[in-house]
This record gives sequence, structure tokens and C-alpha cells, in this order.
Amino acid sequence: KAGVTQTPRYLIKTRGQQVTLSCSPISGHRSVSWYQQTPGQGLQFLFEYFSETQRNKGNFPGRFSGRQFSNSRSEMNVSTLELGDSALYLCASNLGTDNQGTLNTEAFFGQGTRLTVV
Amino acid sequence: QKEVEQNSGPLSVPEGAIASLNCTYSDRGSQSFFWYRQYSGKSPELIMFIYSNGDKEDGRFTAQLNKASQYVSLLIRDSQPSDSATYLCAASDSGGYQKVTFGIGTKLQVIP
Repeated sequence: KAGVTQTPRYLIKTRGQQVTLSCSPISGHRSVSWYQQTPGQGLQFLFEYFSETQRNKGNFPGRFSGRQFSNSRSEMNVSTLELGDSALYLCASNLGTDNQGTLNTEAFFGQGTRLTVV
Repeated sequence: QKEVEQNSGPLSVPEGAIASLNCTYSDRGSQSFFWYRQYSGKSPELIMFIYSNGDKEDGRFTAQLNKASQYVSLLIRDSQPSDSATYLCAASDSGGYQKVTFGIGTKLQVIP
């Protein structure tokens, strides 16, 4: 069973550019969450998608956006890059809760995309 | 601002000892709590989750939750050098993964 796949693994961009990161969840998983990890701030929640809908959003500026496709693959986009956006971006795949609120607790992280803004 | 607090460490324990990792959370609405292990340069992996007050055991790992004190802990018995990693505590304000707040992580070093 394939795991969570994030592409690309490494990126170097210059300030002001924009970037798109991709996450392919485990087959059958409908929930994808995105996180930013930096040494000083730890893991910070960006947003979560379930069945192509953004269900929740963290406290990040509007330059950070995302979407989910019908096959559950997700992309996140960062526009007008700043030096402070340099980080490891992780996505996590989860079965998600159903309409009855049945919980699935296992989330699996991809290997991340290391973004460096220069 | 919902917060999950952890001591960043490092916490050093000798091989074979019990490692005790602690975490507090600010949001009383938090329902689910998770412990992740992250090796250097790797992505986090889920070790345990807990929803109810009390203890939950899985092999050498025991998670403890005290909602009145807003306190979560992870005990690792018979610590091994391979347990050396950063342990992330996380809390969710729903029943699942819709929005998860992570602590900064505690670095654990198990000394052979």
C-alpha cells in the first residue's frame, strides 16, 4: 500500500515568487491536512480538506491557499513568497470522519517538501 | 489562541529507564490527544491517541490524560536508544483531524 506522496521534496525559490506543492494521500483517504514546520514554531496547522471542501483553516495569511481534487489529491499554493516562508511543509492523510461523526484516528504524514526562499 | 505546551528538552534518560514526557493544553474544548514521534529529518508518525481520562497502554507506551488539569503525558518504559527522537503532543478540538494543534515537541535522548 503506497504511503503519502509529496512532491517535490525540495524547492528553492526567490522572494516574490509563488510555489505549488502537491500531496497524494493514501488510496481511500479523503482527508488531507497541511502543516508548516519550522524549528522555532514547530508544526503549525495550515488547512484541512475533505471531499474537495476546506473544513478548517489555521492562522496563516491569505497568501497560503489550497485545494483538493476529486481523487483526493491536494495542492497548496503560496504566493508572493517571503523569507519567513522557508520551512518543511507536511501533509497528512486520514480516512476522515463520516457523516455520523465516526472517528478515524490514524493520520499518516508524507515526507514533506523542504522549501527554501532566498 | 489554542496552545499545546511542551518542554523542548532535551530529556536524557539512561537505557532501560522510564521516560516521562509531559504536555499541557489551553483549550478545554479539546477532545482528542495524540503523541507523535519524529526522528531527525523524518516525518512524524503516530504513536498513540487518547480521548478518555485515565491511562491507555500500548506495549512499552502509556498515554495518560487528565482533562480537569488539562494535562497529557506519555510514559516510555524500558527506554531504548532507538526511542531517541522528538515527541510531539497534539490536541484536536473535534473528534478527529479537522484541526490539530501541535506542541513544539520534546527531544528525548536515551543514553546507552
